[in-house]
Amino acid sequence: DVVVTQSPLSLPVTLGQPASISCRSSQSLLYSDGITYLNWFQQRPGQSPRRLIYKVSNRDSGVPDRFSGSGSGTDFTLKISRVEAEDVGVYYCLQGTHWPITFGQGTRLEIK
Amino acid sequence: EVQLVESGGGLVQPGRSLRLSCVASGFTFGDYVISWFRQTPGKGLEWVGFIRAVGTTLYATSVKGRFTISRDDSNSIAYLQMDSLKIDDTAVYYCTRDYYATFWGQGTLVTVSS
Repeated sequence: DVVVTQSPLSLPVTLGQPASISCRSSQSLLYSDGITYLNWFQQRPGQSPRRLIYKVSNRDSGVPDRFSGSGSGTDFTLKISRVEAEDVGVYYCLQGTHWPITFGQGTRLEIK
Repeated sequence: EVQLVESGGGLVQPGRSLRLSCVASGFTFGDYVISWFRQTPGKGLEWVGFIRAVGTTLYATSVKGRFTISRDDSNSIAYLQMDSLKIDDTAVYYCTRDYYATFWGQGTLVTVSS
């Protein structure tokens, strides 16, 4: 199975400051169709996961533009330009290129 | 608005069975893949399996041969039949739309314990 490694696992951030989460895979996530199947999810306390970003850099409907995704191959990043209180939670990346699809361990974002 | 509502979780003894349901609304159910995931504090998020619109299925190695996913398109319901349950199957189970979990239900807790 493809191993997906996130860092850091814990991310304390001051309100209004930027945040960045790394996601690295053990194999390239570029599929033969030219698409990279790497998604990002947010899970707020007590809630189900919610997809934020799909195919590396596409924001889902309703996701604030302070969230952005980038990367290629095996290295990917989720950035929050200015952290707000509602961003507290755990962030996961998911690789969908290789079956079985696998998730990173999660990064817990908290406010300092 | 897309909604997915799971039910059927609970406490069950090892070796017994449980069937989870996922009632969908807000989209044309029969056109979409439905996937099941589970989440535990120890293992995090794990893909369980999916069922395509045409009814074909694929399962994670950890549940293959014990779990069965089915669907009732006329009532917009997907099912996860879990047999020969193990303690390690204890988790919150989610149904989602699409292969890569575009939308999630609220989850249902399954506890396997004697």
